[in-house]
Amino acid sequence: EIVLTQSPGTLSLSPGERATLSCRASQSVNSKHLAWYQQRPGQAPRLLIYGASTRATGVPDRFSGSGSGTDFTLTINRLEPEDFAVYSCQHWDRSPPLTFGGGTKVEIK
Amino acid sequence: QVQLQESGPGLVKPSETLSLICTVSGGSTSSFCLNWIRQPPGKGLEWISYICGSGNTNYNPSLKSRVTISVDRSKSQSSLKLSSVTATDTAVYYCAGWSEQKWAFDIWGQGTMVTASS
Repeated sequence: EIVLTQSPGTLSLSPGERATLSCRASQSVNSKHLAWYQQRPGQAPRLLIYGASTRATGVPDRFSGSGSGTDFTLTINRLEPEDFAVYSCQHWDRSPPLTFGGGTKVEIK
Repeated sequence: QVQLQESGPGLVKPSETLSLICTVSGGSTSSFCLNWIRQPPGKGLEWISYICGSGNTNYNPSLKSRVTISVDRSKSQSSLKLSSVTATDTAVYYCAGWSEQKWAFDIWGQGTMVTASS
């Protein structure tokens, strides 16, 4: 089973700053199978990035994903008030289960 | 546009079976894999199971012995049953649609909170 470790657990930033979130896999993974989700309080997750770097429909271009192998990054440029949320990475593998990282909370400093 | 809606009892007694329904509107249950995912309060997401249009199913090994997933295409619904619940099964339960093109969940229901308590 591939384990996804996200860091930091919490990121305290001000609006307008840049957020850099990490997702590390316990072994090398296919970047096509790596996705990121945003979850605002009281809401369901929303797909942000798939294939490690492709923005989902309607996602602003201040969100970008990168990485390969075991290390993946979600970057949010110029944080907007609505970006303060929890972000989770997710990976698909042939062997179950589908796995999620533990999440990074981006909070207002 | 496909939409998903979870429904079911918000309270289940320990040792009993949790039963939830996911209703699909604006699309067909045959056209994608429907997944169940849960999130305990203050914790991360945990994938439970999926059922695809082909009838294929798959389960999280940690829950497999307690999970039953099915689909009723005539009603455009998927059903999740989780037996022998304990307090650790208390969570928000989501149904989500899997995109084979994106290798990701691109449709989510709003979620339903289930508490396992006497």
